[in-house]
Amino acid sequence: ETGVTQSPTHLIKTRGQQVTLRCSSQSGHNTVSWYQQALGQGPQFIFQYYREEENGRGNFPPRFSGLQFPNYSSELNVNALELDDSALYLCASSLDLGTGILYFGEGSWLTVV
Amino acid sequence: DQQVKQNSPSLSVQEGRISILNCDYTNSMFDYFLWYKKYPAEGPTFLISISSIKDKNEDGRFTVFLNKSAKHLSLHIVPSQPGDSAVYFCAASARQTSGSRLTFGEGTQLTVNP
Repeated sequence: ETGVTQSPTHLIKTRGQQVTLRCSSQSGHNTVSWYQQALGQGPQFIFQYYREEENGRGNFPPRFSGLQFPNYSSELNVNALELDDSALYLCASSLDLGTGILYFGEGSWLTVV
Repeated sequence: DQQVKQNSPSLSVQEGRISILNCDYTNSMFDYFLWYKKYPAEGPTFLISISSIKDKNEDGRFTVFLNKSAKHLSLHIVPSQPGDSAVYFCAASARQTSGSRLTFGEGTQLTVNP
């Protein structure tokens, strides 16, 4: 059974640029969620995708967008990067919407300079 | 509005003793609670969960207690081992309304000293 994998693991971007982070969900899982974890804080919910449709969004601006593909892998896109976007971005997968248990990848560390 | 709070940023215990990590929540719609463990440079790993219809759930050395009237839950680790040293996150979900969307606390750094 393959776990959740994310890429890239680390990247540095300049303010104003755009970034795409990728996630492969755990085998058999059809739901993907993205979380942002700033230093010293707990993960914060960005949005969730179920069967290629967005299903719930946290308090993040529209420049945070995502996609889920037919194989249930997912992308997180952030436009017009700001310094405060520097954080660990975590992808999590689960089977269906209501189980409550999410399985996380190792995350992508984004630094905006 | 911090709906899930872990008031202790850090906890240090001796190997073999009990570790007790605490978590408080404010949203009465939460009906499922989870604890995750996180090592440096790794993603959070699911540890144990409890539904709001229960007040205790046990899995080996780990037990989670839920006090709904006080909106408080705790994780007990007995006996504590040095390998348990990690950041522990409490999380909650309102499955009826928000599915598996999790709200996390800020985390507690547990250090178990040999």
